[in-house]
Parts: sequence; structure tokens; C-alpha cells
Amino acid sequence: EPEVTQTPSHQVTQMGQEVILRCVPISNHLYFYWYRQILGQKVEFLVSFYNNEISEKSEIFDDQFSVERPDGSNFTLKIRSTKLEDSAMYFCASLHNGGSYNEQFFGPGTRLTVL
Amino acid sequence: GDSVTQMEGPVTLSEEAFLTINCTYTATGYPSLFWYVQYPGEGLQLLLKATKADDKGSNKGFEATYRKETTSFHLEKGSVQVSDSAVYFCALSPNQAGTALIFGKGTTLSVSS
Repeated sequence: EPEVTQTPSHQVTQMGQEVILRCVPISNHLYFYWYRQILGQKVEFLVSFYNNEISEKSEIFDDQFSVERPDGSNFTLKIRSTKLEDSAMYFCASLHNGGSYNEQFFGPGTRLTVL
Repeated sequence: GDSVTQMEGPVTLSEEAFLTINCTYTATGYPSLFWYVQYPGEGLQLLLKATKADDKGSNKGFEATYRKETTSFHLEKGSVQVSDSAVYFCALSPNQAGTALIFGKGTTLSVSS
């Protein structure tokens, strides 16, 4: 069964460093998303991506964040200068189309720890 | 804006007990509703969904009915197992193409034998 994959599973970085989180969405899906979950808190939307551009973003997704689909398969989230409060689990998700079911498939997540 | 409210946890039950986790929502229009489950150390898995009023989603013994009149989507299971211990998230999707999911805060369920 097709699934969303994410790498790495755990990333540890120093404050101020750049990190790139990688995702491979399901191959025939058209919409891609990043969410994050700070430990013990709810899952929060960051950004969605469709047709090679950002379609929606939240207030959390400020100038230090960027997303890219560099080829036909990968979808990346870059954090330019990490802060302590960026420590969280980051989930990638993909969606086949924008139909009424809107069932997003989630990857296993990348745990980012900023020291 | 749209939002989801879940009952506070943790919920602690004995095996074979009846489970209810309350979820209510606020939305304009007619959203789709979901329950996601997160087992310890894992990502989010779709448990069940309902796309219109009075639909009942079901999976693995869990059920939830989309109640438009009460704006609710409560999760129920008749007899829980230790393996059901997880965090459960209620979520909605506004029915517009590709829009993001809006999650509740999650409810931790702990089942003991």
C-alpha cells in the first residue's frame, strides 16, 4: 500500500542552524502539507502546496520557513535559522485531490530537537 | 474561524469498558469530519471519517456519527482493548479543495488489563 515517507526520523540541531526536512508524498497525490506538533499539544497546520506553489499557510509559517518540491517526488520543509521553540514533531501529508473526502495521508513524522 | 473542541483527557479505562470521546466543531458550510489516532511513537493514522450529516464512520470497532444539529462527532467503542491506548484527534476539513485539516487538542486514552 502506498505511503508517505519522511526523513530523517529524528534531527538534532543547534539553535541558529538551518535544517531541511524531507518527505516523499504518495506518487499520484496533488496536494502536499506540513503540520507540526509540539510535544503534548495539538497538531498545527503550517503550509499547503499545490501546482508548484503555496496554496495556504498559517501564521506559524513565517519568513524562516520555506517549502520546495525540487523534483517529481520530494517535498521539503526548510527552517533557515532554527529556534528552541521550533522543537516539535513535523508531519508531512498528501492528498489525492480536492474532492469532498479530503482524506490526507500522513507520514510517520520527523522529530526535530533544537538545542 | 473553524475550530474543533475535544474533551480533556486523559481517559483511563479498564479493558472491555465502553468508550466515548466527545468532539464538537464550529464551521461555516459543511465540513468533512475525521478521527485520527496516534499510537505511542508513531504518526497519525486515519481511524474513520464522515463527509455529510448523519453519516456514520466506523473502523476497528470504533464509530462516530456526524450530527449537524448538535455539531458533534463523538467517538465510541463498545469494548476497548489495551491495544487501543493512544491519542485520538478529532479533525475537520472545510469542504474546499485541498484545504488544511483543523485538529482538536487530542485525547489520551489509557486502557489497563
